[in-house]
Amino acid sequence: KAGVTQTPRYLIKTRGQQVTLSCSPISGHRSVSWYQQTPGQGLQFLFEYFSETQRNKGNFPGRFSGRQFSNSRSEMNVSTLELGDSALYLCASSLPGELFFGEGSRLTVL
Amino acid sequence: ILNVEQSPQSLHVQEGDSTNFTCSFPSSNFYALHWYRWETAKSPEALFVMTLNGDEKKKGRISATLNTKEGYSYLYIKGSQPEDSATYLCACPDGSGNTGKLIFGQGTTLQVKP
Repeated sequence: KAGVTQTPRYLIKTRGQQVTLSCSPISGHRSVSWYQQTPGQGLQFLFEYFSETQRNKGNFPGRFSGRQFSNSRSEMNVSTLELGDSALYLCASSLPGELFFGEGSRLTVL
Repeated sequence: ILNVEQSPQSLHVQEGDSTNFTCSFPSSNFYALHWYRWETAKSPEALFVMTLNGDEKKKGRISATLNTKEGYSYLYIKGSQPEDSATYLCACPDGSGNTGKLIFGQGTTLQVKP
């Protein structure tokens, strides 16, 4: 059974640019959550999508957005990138009460 | 706001040592407690999901206990091996347990020296 797949794995952007990250969940999982991991903050919840609807949202500015498609694949977008957006972005797909994580997309903002 | 705390922040032990670390969480409105192991350059791997007070779960040399009344969980590793080196994270669902919104502790990073 294939796991959670995130693309791209690594990317470098400059301030002011935007970025789109993709997540393909485990087959059959309808919930996809996104997390940001930075050295000082640990894993912080960004948002969760379930059946193409945002079900939960974390405390991040509006520059961070996401969506989910009918096949449960999800994308997150960060616009007007700032240096502080440099982080590992993890996606997780879930069954009720259990999350399965991908390996993450590491974003560096220069 | 749900706050999950872990201690210690890091731990260095010798191969063969047994070790344990702590996760603290609010005892009110408890739903579940998740433990994850996160090795460098890999994805976080679920170890345990614990829901009942007094729960004790075991996976090989790793075990965990749960005390929901006082709001803590212990993770134990018996006879640590170098391959146990990882960051161990605990997390609680924020609100309903049936969503993907977990509040994570800062993690305990374990280094096992051969």
